[in-house]
Amino acid sequence: QKEVEQNSGPLSVPEGAIASLNCTYSDRVSQSFFWYRQYSGKSPELIMSIYSNGDKEDGRFTAQLNKASQYVSLLIRDSQPSDSATYLCAARKAAGNKLTFGGGTRVLVKP
Amino acid sequence: ETGVTQSPTHLIKTRGQQVTLRCSSQSGHNTVSWYQQALGQGPQFIFQYYREEENGRGNFPPRFSGLQFPNYSSELNVNALELDDSALYLCASSLPLAGVRTDTQYFGPGTRLTVL
Repeated sequence: QKEVEQNSGPLSVPEGAIASLNCTYSDRVSQSFFWYRQYSGKSPELIMSIYSNGDKEDGRFTAQLNKASQYVSLLIRDSQPSDSATYLCAARKAAGNKLTFGGGTRVLVKP
Repeated sequence: ETGVTQSPTHLIKTRGQQVTLRCSSQSGHNTVSWYQQALGQGPQFIFQYYREEENGRGNFPPRFSGLQFPNYSSELNVNALELDDSALYLCASSLPLAGVRTDTQYFGPGTRLTVL
């Protein structure tokens, strides 16, 4: 079992719809979770971080964390073609530690 | 822009050669982490340097080595290159603070290494 798992996609959503991305992790010691967006040929760009159970909203993005279920999700509201990218979920056990990434979910937003 | 820079942008080497990749961290950041990202996969942790000392290593062989300098910039060296070393090499800088969960790793643009 991989430490962090994501559906590889592609997740195809129409423009203006909500994209829902899921991520599960196996190590209960993980404390912090991150969503990065990566355009083709580019490096990962941080979208959201979340540390506590519940929801965290930032603009069109909402991250959700459920530590009991070892589950992290990212919602993208009002999806735009510019949101088409690979979204990477990462977990970290403690401050300063390495990030453990999932394989990423490719999202395609169709006009 | 994260303020993290890497050089070179692209590199082509042949099997058996050696390569050095460079990373300059964001101003004020004392920690640099290196990751390898093969095509279609998520980044894999290689190692981390904190204040010029190695501070954790992933499942990579000893031919992957590194350095961190007093200005916190860093190098990744790979000896005896293999075809499977072809990947995007990413460095990320951060400023971890004891007891604080919120330090974030910011990635540089990466170096694309092709081994022929």
